[in-house]
Amino acid sequence: NAGVTQTPKFRILKIGQSMTLQCTQDMNHNYMYWYRQDPGMGLKLIYYSVGAGITDKGEVPNGYNVSRSTTEDFPLRLELAAPSQTSVYFCASLPNDRGTEAFFGQGTRLTVV
Amino acid sequence: QQQVKQSPQSLIVQKGGISIINCAYENTAFDYFPWYQQFPGKGPALLIAIRPDVSEKKEGRFTISFNKSAKQFSLHIMDSQPGDSATYFCAASMVGNTGNQFYFGTGTSLTVIP
Repeated sequence: NAGVTQTPKFRILKIGQSMTLQCTQDMNHNYMYWYRQDPGMGLKLIYYSVGAGITDKGEVPNGYNVSRSTTEDFPLRLELAAPSQTSVYFCASLPNDRGTEAFFGQGTRLTVV
Repeated sequence: QQQVKQSPQSLIVQKGGISIINCAYENTAFDYFPWYQQFPGKGPALLIAIRPDVSEKKEGRFTISFNKSAKQFSLHIMDSQPGDSATYFCAASMVGNTGNQFYFGTGTSLTVIP
């Protein structure tokens, strides 16, 4: 029972590099989310998806892109990494469209130097 | 604008004491109020949740108190234990035009001293 799996767990990027944070879930959830967590700032929504082929911006989408080609996968793309993107990134999924438990991955700690 | 305001930012409690974390919201469209617990190096995990049609929900040592008129809700941890040391997030959610919307508080770092 894998739940929500994120890779990698840690990554150091140089300014201007690009990378993709992977997220996959095996619970057949329609809703998936990407958050970033900064100290003392809680969880900020970057992008979310309500189903395959449908994505939308959250509170802090600048500098990121997403795609949702399948129900299982929701990768987050950083095109030109900046120091301001140093953060811990969490992917989450929800089983339906009414308030229920959100399942989170273990997180990806990204440092941009 | 912070949709959900959480306090305190950090809390230190003696073992056996009561830990209280407070949250407030403005949007009356929110219809689900969960609390998440996060241990270092892990993702948040659901601890307990409440809907606005009840004023209190208890699960073991954890209780949510909900005041709809004041738009406030709080988490009470009775008989706090060192194993409860973690970061706690309150959240509020609603179903909007574009699907389920979750808003999290800024988190409270709880330390329970043995």
